[in-house]
Amino acid sequence: SQKIEQNSEALNIQEGKTATLTCNYTNYSPAYLQWYRQDPGRGPVFLLLIRENEKEKRKERLKVTFDTTLKQSLFHITASQPADSATYLCALGSYSGGGADGLTFGKGTHLIIQP
Amino acid sequence: DAGITQSPRYKITETGRQVTLMCHQTWSHSYMFWYRQDLGHGLRLIYYSAAADITDKGEVPDGYVVSRSKTENFPLTLESATRSQTSVYFCASSGTYTEAFFGQGTRLTVV
Repeated sequence: SQKIEQNSEALNIQEGKTATLTCNYTNYSPAYLQWYRQDPGRGPVFLLLIRENEKEKRKERLKVTFDTTLKQSLFHITASQPADSATYLCALGSYSGGGADGLTFGKGTHLIIQP
Repeated sequence: DAGITQSPRYKITETGRQVTLMCHQTWSHSYMFWYRQDLGHGLRLIYYSAAADITDKGEVPDGYVVSRSKTENFPLTLESATRSQTSVYFCASSGTYTEAFFGQGTRLTVV
């Protein structure tokens, strides 16, 4: 069955450092991969999308890489700030039947940026 | 305001009762989704819809019914609520192979 693994332990990072979150998957050939941020009591908020033919995407302090050979995505937050503290979700999507059939989510990594 | 709204935000219901969770989006997105989020499981897809009158099962559809008579609405009905359906429910919408926009969620407790 499809499996997506994210760091189950909370990730503690000092303010100003780069936070790197990992998303590994098995038994899946995703067409695209997305990262979301979720704060307590709120719905997930989209951050970045990267497609299977792309190696890297950037948006301001965020960077995501996608290695379909290793079946892995890395999500980086540079110059991290306490406001970046949240749970980050990795989600995979595929092209099937000519339409989007929903995303498959990892369980998320809880990131804590310490002042 | 453009967006996606869910109602109610909180709901307590008794075992065996029927309950409907509402979802409304103003973007005219083709695709709409229902997920549930539980500790230890993350977000799991219940049902999705590619357009009005087109729906399909996701990973955990048992005990749920959906309909989509209008593009902007996608209600989720629990026909006979069970305690195992206690969860946080999220509705989302998207274009084709693009980012999803999530509602604020409905926290449902079945007692």
